[in-house]
Amino acid sequence: DIQMTQSPSSLSASVGDRVSITCRASQSISKYLNWYQQRPGKAPKLLIYAASSLESGVPSRFSGSGSGTDFTLTISSLQPEDFATYYCQQSYGTPWTFGQGTKVEIK
Amino acid sequence: QVQLQESGPGLVKPSETLSLTCTVSGYSISSGYYWGWIRQPPGQGLEWIETFHHSGTTYHNPSLRSRVTTSVDTSKNQFSLKLSSVTAADTAIYYCARVVFTSKQIDYWGQGTLVTVSS
Repeated sequence: DIQMTQSPSSLSASVGDRVSITCRASQSISKYLNWYQQRPGKAPKLLIYAASSLESGVPSRFSGSGSGTDFTLTISSLQPEDFATYYCQQSYGTPWTFGQGTKVEIK
Repeated sequence: QVQLQESGPGLVKPSETLSLTCTVSGYSISSGYYWGWIRQPPGQGLEWIETFHHSGTTYHNPSLRSRVTTSVDTSKNQFSLKLSSVTAADTAIYYCARVVFTSKQIDYWGQGTLVTVSS
């Protein structure tokens, strides 16, 4: 199985901060990398697909980059509604696997 | 607007079979896309279970494959999950979802349903 490792596991930030979350794959996955946001008690929501494509309706402050094994999700200016847990997911090989999650908390 | 809704028992006894149904509205399952199931143990991360197309193509998680059965009822626009021989480790929130197969992203999720395995 392809292992996905996110860092950090959690972070504290303030409204307006620029935040970056990284996701590393245990082998090359080309650009088959998706990012999701999960608020407490809610289902995950797709933010970024194919490493850098913004899902329709998602604010432009979210962006994704990377290919191969190293990927980054960036929030350019953190908003109150962005405090949540973020997951990466590889869809290059089955079983599709998720990172362990990064919890973004209010500083 | 595409909506998915899981339904089924919230409590299952160990060794029995977990059965869930996903009802889709706003899009016909037989029109395209892939569909699937993902689960999340309470307070933990996400685990992909299975993804399939109504034509029969299915992608399994090998760790669960021997216990998972998926079926589709296009007349009701529903699909179902059966997970046999459950243990406490199968306690989780189960989500049904729609999958865009070009980049295999999950673009629509159900709200999720908690299934507890306990006697």
